[in-house]
Amino acid sequence: DAKTTQPNSMESNEEEPVHLPCNHSTISGTDYIHWYRQLPSQGPEYVIHGLTSNVNNRMASLAIAEDRKSSTLILHRATLRDAAVYYCILRGQAGNNRKLIWGLGTSLAVNP
Amino acid sequence: NAGVTQTPKFQVLKTGQSMTLQCAQDMNHEYMSWYRQDPGMGLRLIHYSVGAGITDQGEVPNGYNVSRSTTEDFPLRLLSAAPSQTSVYFCASSGTGNNQPQHFGDGTRLSIL
Repeated sequence: DAKTTQPNSMESNEEEPVHLPCNHSTISGTDYIHWYRQLPSQGPEYVIHGLTSNVNNRMASLAIAEDRKSSTLILHRATLRDAAVYYCILRGQAGNNRKLIWGLGTSLAVNP
Repeated sequence: NAGVTQTPKFQVLKTGQSMTLQCAQDMNHEYMSWYRQDPGMGLRLIHYSVGAGITDQGEVPNGYNVSRSTTEDFPLRLLSAAPSQTSVYFCASSGTGNNQPQHFGDGTRLSIL
């Protein structure tokens, strides 16, 4: 079973910020939180990852709750090209935690 | 930069046939994995490898075999294709650290009649 839960779908308007939530209440201390997105008919694409502190890169920002049981991917200004399925997964270091189990993700629609 | 290369991109098989999906990466990544994705679904892990000579099962390993004789290559074999294996298959690679992002191939679209 996936270790993360996300809303099935979300909708945004172009040029508005989007906050995509992810719950991971069973996260262990060494698990990193990774986000990927998948455009239609393409393979997944890495977006961002973090451990404890909030992270920023050219694509997005990642806000991680203080207890690490949830995180939020922030797209600062949505564009039509951001319409995709967004996946949040946990990556552990040892044993079964090396298996990367993906959930169903959040399908983001962006309205012009 | 080639990254992760999957071949073929498309394949149609008859039930009972066998075939090998190829995956190669040129980034010297130790971790490689195979996923399948059915329509409207997320990715499901089939098998993964943390280095040459080391493989392990994922969520849905039945009907598939893998081997990892080199760091670069991680082929996926369908022993006796079944219609239930019709899917899109993705190969991914990364460094072994849990802070390492995965790099995905473009996928193989497999139909089994």
